[in-house]
Amino acid sequence: DADVTQTPRNRITKTGKRIMLECSQTKGHDRMYWYRQDPGLGLRLIYYSFDVKDINKGEISDGYSVSRQAQAKFSLSLESAIPNQTALYFCATSDWGTSEETQYFGPGTRLLVL
Amino acid sequence: KNQVEQSPQSLIILEGKNCTLQCNYTVSPFSNLRWYKQDTGRGPVSLTIMTFSENTKSNGRYTATLDADTKQSSLHITASQLSDSASYICVSYGGSQGNLIFGKGTKLSVKP
Repeated sequence: DADVTQTPRNRITKTGKRIMLECSQTKGHDRMYWYRQDPGLGLRLIYYSFDVKDINKGEISDGYSVSRQAQAKFSLSLESAIPNQTALYFCATSDWGTSEETQYFGPGTRLLVL
Repeated sequence: KNQVEQSPQSLIILEGKNCTLQCNYTVSPFSNLRWYKQDTGRGPVSLTIMTFSENTKSNGRYTATLDADTKQSSLHITASQLSDSASYICVSYGGSQGNLIFGKGTKLSVKP
């Protein structure tokens, strides 16, 4: 987990506020991902990036935006937070892009939207 | 629809006992099947990755099996330890976007 860091680890915000979750990695991987995890549900992909110039929407991108500032940094923004965005958010990285690539997850950011 | 289903949803066992977790997947095209361990408050950590040509793969006390014909996988934990208490997530790599499809996980509690 230390190779993939997320800030903040916990965040409480109010409906309508803009917030940014940040992810940094020291693994040198090209691919980075943002997921959310809700109780009773599997992880769902929000956005993914295969390199600095490549950004792709995942399964549930509405209400979110991302920025790939560098190979090592991938940020997730909630432009106007709403309560149903309350969840645990994970950043992940992987290398190569083969089907057997291993994804390495960060420790997660717990977000509460009031 | 591509999906991964796991059973049981939760499981309680005594320390030292064995257990088996189940996973059924309907993913096309199928590439590989993974098992992750997620400790409470932590990110998932990969345990095993199996392609469609592999039947079994071990990682210490963890042994995963794959039956590509019936589209079923299992994770067997031998001689459980308290530190095995976690959620175990079955994940399939495949589908049209080539991304990961996650199951909801089985929450395992190992009691002394």
